[in-house]
Amino acid sequence: AQSVAQPEDQVNVAEGNPLTVKCTYSVSGNPYLFWYVQYPNRGLQFLLKYITGDNLVKGSYGFEAEFNKSQTSFHLKKPSALVSDSALYFCAVIPGWGGGNKLTFGTGTQLKVEL
Amino acid sequence: GAGVSQSPSNKVTEKGKDVELRCDPISGHTALYWYRQSLGQGLEFLIYFQGNSAPDKSGLPSDRFSAERTGGSVSTLTIQRTQQEDSAVYLCASSPFMNTEAFFGQGTRLTVV
Repeated sequence: AQSVAQPEDQVNVAEGNPLTVKCTYSVSGNPYLFWYVQYPNRGLQFLLKYITGDNLVKGSYGFEAEFNKSQTSFHLKKPSALVSDSALYFCAVIPGWGGGNKLTFGTGTQLKVEL
Repeated sequence: GAGVSQSPSNKVTEKGKDVELRCDPISGHTALYWYRQSLGQGLEFLIYFQGNSAPDKSGLPSDRFSAERTGGSVSTLTIQRTQQEDSAVYLCASSPFMNTEAFFGQGTRLTVV
């Protein structure tokens, strides 16, 4: 069965510092991986995806993520955090060919960026 | 509009009543998902429609929950004999084809009193 783990319920970082939000996955196929962000009282917004190709993908608002097949990870990163980045972040996976097409989400990580 | 539209945005219902939640996906999108998000929690998968294929109903929590998608477009999630534990935000998402990102609506906040 497919699953996504976000081991940290909350990540705190000072503005201007780099941030990392961790994600690991477990699927049987070659996965498609996604990051979404949810601001308070708003819907989920797509940030970035890995489908194939370069392991480092860049997305909206200066975020990037690195696909690491050997570690089955897809950590979200940003070189310099902003207070406005504070939100709830979700990692998601589709197993892909041979594993089905269901989009499964992790439990979310609350990011808090402080001055 | 260009996005996924859900209605109503808020619904308060009495325990034991039936409710219907509606989702209008982005035009032309073949995949449609329903999720449930309880307060401060993650997204719980409910059901997935892909084109004309049989839906993946593996996430429906009980037989009180059902969903249909008419004409490959609008979807309705029905909850019969609502219980207080059904209170949550119900999110709908659509994507243009398999294995790509999904776009979410604003959700329906359901409160069972």
